[in-house]
Amino acid sequence: QKEVEQDPGPLSVPEGAIVSLNCTYSNSAFQYFMWYRQYSRKGPELLMYTYSSGNKEDGRFTAQVDKSSKYISLFIRDSQPSDSATYLCAMSALNSNYQLIWGAGTKLIIKP
Amino acid sequence: DADVTQTPRNRITKTGKRIMLECSQTKGHDRMYWYRQDPGLGLRLIYYSFDVKDINKGEISDGYSVSRQAQAKFSLSLESAIPNQTALYFCATSDGNTGELFFGEGSRLTVL
Repeated sequence: QKEVEQDPGPLSVPEGAIVSLNCTYSNSAFQYFMWYRQYSRKGPELLMYTYSSGNKEDGRFTAQVDKSSKYISLFIRDSQPSDSATYLCAMSALNSNYQLIWGAGTKLIIKP
Repeated sequence: DADVTQTPRNRITKTGKRIMLECSQTKGHDRMYWYRQDPGLGLRLIYYSFDVKDINKGEISDGYSVSRQAQAKFSLSLESAIPNQTALYFCATSDGNTGELFFGEGSRLTVL
């Protein structure tokens, strides 16, 4: 079993919909949780970063961490065609020198 | 110009050939990484370096070697390429303070 599980999709939704992307993990030591966005033929870029539990909002994006369930989510409101990309979750434990464990990535398609 | 530059962007080679992928960065970061990305498997760490004199194996280092020629340069070598090393390879940097990784645009390697 992988340490981090993420549905690879593709997930296809109409423009304007609310998108929910999720990852589950097994290592209770994870404290840093990140979402990276990767456009086709590009490297991943950091989208959201959360430490420990709780929510973090940035514009149309909300990252949510539920450590009791070992489950993290990324919500995208008012989705746009430009949000079409692969979204990768990544996480690391305290005192691990930020060694990241990655999900496989979910491919998201926003239909105009 | 990109902050993290990888060369070549695309390479097709034959089994048994030696291949070098090069990475240079202008971000001034001490930490550099090599990852490979395969469909359904996400990003897997091959090697990482926290400074010029520090080289560490990642989770899948077998069949690979690296050289940190300077703070800004980190090369990945495949001494004798094999078909299952066909993948997309990414170089990344970080400053070690936040854990955020900055990726190059990737090098697509095909081993026939």
